[in-house]
Order: sequence, then C-alpha cells, then structure tokens
Amino acid sequence: AQSVSQHNHHVILSEAASLELGCNYSYGGTVNLFWYVQYPGQHLQLLLKYFSGDPLVKGIKGFEAEFIKSKFSFNLRKPSVQWSDTAEYFCAVNGDSSYKLIFGSGTRLLVRP
Amino acid sequence: DAGVTQSPTHLIKTRGQQVTLRCSPKSGHDTVSWYQQALGQGPQFIFQYYEEEERQRGNFPDRFSGHQFPNYSSELNVNALLLGDSALYLCASRRTSGYNEQFFGPGTRLTVL
Repeated sequence: AQSVSQHNHHVILSEAASLELGCNYSYGGTVNLFWYVQYPGQHLQLLLKYFSGDPLVKGIKGFEAEFIKSKFSFNLRKPSVQWSDTAEYFCAVNGDSSYKLIFGSGTRLLVRP
Repeated sequence: DAGVTQSPTHLIKTRGQQVTLRCSPKSGHDTVSWYQQALGQGPQFIFQYYEEEERQRGNFPDRFSGHQFPNYSSELNVNALLLGDSALYLCASRRTSGYNEQFFGPGTRLTVL
C-alpha cells in the first residue's frame, strides 16, 4: 500500500540549531515529492517540491530537501532554525498516474528562542 | 489574487445530520480536491473533481459526495454524520496542465456531537 512515514512526531530545537526531518515513502513507480508547512492558525503552504532532475531541491525560507531514491527518502533540512519556523511539517507524495497526495502524519517543530 | 477560499470556517452538527461544505479554487485553477484531516493526523484524500466530474476517489464511504460547478467551485456533502467525521476538511486546487502543485484553503472545522 502507498504510504508516507514521518518518524519524528515532535521535535524541539533551540534557535540556530540545525534541523533534519525524516520522510520515507512506499510507492511503486515514479513519484513526485512535497513538503508542506502549517504555521499556527494558518493553512497548509508548500515549502518545496521534487518532480525530477537534481535530487537536492531548495524551497522557501532556507529549507532544502534531498531525494534519495535508493532509500525511498525525502528528508527536509535547514542549517539554522528560527523561532518563526515553529510549525507542523508534512511530507507528501503522489505518483505521475495519480491525482491524490498521500501525506505523512506530520512533525510538530517547536523552536525555542 | 485570492487563494483558495472555503466556507464556513466552523460548523457544529449532530449525528445523523447532513452537511455541505463549499470551496472556491484559486484563480486560474480548474481542479479541486478535498481532504479530511483528523486531529493529529495528516490530510487524507477524499476525492478530486475536474470538468464537473469525480476523477479519483480515496477510501471514503458513499456518504461522502461532491459536486463541481461550471465556475470550478466545489461542494463536499456528507450524509448521516458520525462522530468520527469530526475533522478539518481541506480543499485544494490546481491547474490540470503543468506541474501538479496543489494550493490549500484554510479548511472548515466540522464538529459532530
């Protein structure tokens, strides 16, 4: 079955710390990969996406993610987090032949000032 | 440029009742998807509409139905409400052509008592 796993449900960091959130997927075939962020009281926003090409993709607000096909992973990284990065982060996948996005259960990030 | 809008923002119903949620897609978008986000979970795909027809459906019972209008706006209907239908219902829109990046609305919070 198609699925997305986010193993870190809650992460607490201090400002300036580095961030890496794990995402693994199970999907047969070509995939498109996404990271969405939901800031407190706001709607889901796209952070970055991977469709093809360079497996290292850069998104907004200094975030980046690396697609490692052999590991079925698409981990999100940021070298130095800020208090304003406090939010819930969702990894999602869909296949070229499918219209639906399959989401992970999310990771709540709290950045302490 | 207005993004995806949804109405109402909050709704309280009792078991057995029926509910209709509404969505207006982002300008220029012709495809609308609906997702259910239970507390502490990632969004789950309900269905997608394009050209006024349901194009793909997730693992939801027939109590969940939808409609798309000629102006691309959409409705989600849920009949015979159950307590477990309490969730945030998200609408997402995209252009059918090109990369399938979806933009999400703020959601409708449905509480079933």
